[in-house]
Amino acid sequence: AQTVTQSQPEMSVQEAETVTLSCTYDTSESNYYLFWYKQPPSRQMILVIRQEAYKQQNATENRFSVNFQKAAKSFSLKISDSQLGDTAMYFCARNYGGSQGNLIFGKGTKLSVKP
Amino acid sequence: DTGVSQNPRHKITKRGQNVTFRCDPISEHNRLYWYRQTLGQGPEFLTYFQNEAQLEKSRLLSDRFSAERPKGSFSTLEIQRTEQGDSAMYLCASQPGLGDTIYFGEGSWLTVV
Repeated sequence: AQTVTQSQPEMSVQEAETVTLSCTYDTSESNYYLFWYKQPPSRQMILVIRQEAYKQQNATENRFSVNFQKAAKSFSLKISDSQLGDTAMYFCARNYGGSQGNLIFGKGTKLSVKP
Repeated sequence: DTGVSQNPRHKITKRGQNVTFRCDPISEHNRLYWYRQTLGQGPEFLTYFQNEAQLEKSRLLSDRFSAERPKGSFSTLEIQRTEQGDSAMYLCASQPGLGDTIYFGEGSWLTVV
């Protein structure tokens, strides 16, 4: 089965600290995208960061960066200088079939940032 | 800047009733997606449209579910003869084109009692 696995159901971090969320995936496609989405309570899901599989350089968006290990099919998210507004569910996802809209999601990690 | 709009945001219905959700995508977005998200799970793909054509349907989309996108603008997702297992959040997303990021709406919560 082609799946996305997030092994950490819940995590917490102190404000201003760094936290890493884990994700592994499976795919038979040679080119694909990987994503981290954020879903705050009762709010819409928004894209945090994305990585193209053929690019070796890890993607970075401000305080968010990824560690993409293609051979290991691992795609972790690092949040630096955590802020209270980072509290949310975080979903790892990969696309299939060539479109960035056809997504397979993991079960999510609930991140709590504590003051 | 209007994002993806979904209505109603919440719906409580009795088992066996029909419900319909509407999604208004971002203007000029050709592709529109429906996902379902149950508690404690990530979203699961249901179906998507390119303009008015429904191009893919998940096996999760039983024959009680029907989605339409007339004229390639807004979309509706109808669930007939609702069951308690249909209780979930139904997410809509739109996408300008094949290679672009998708944008999600806030979702429509369905509770079947």
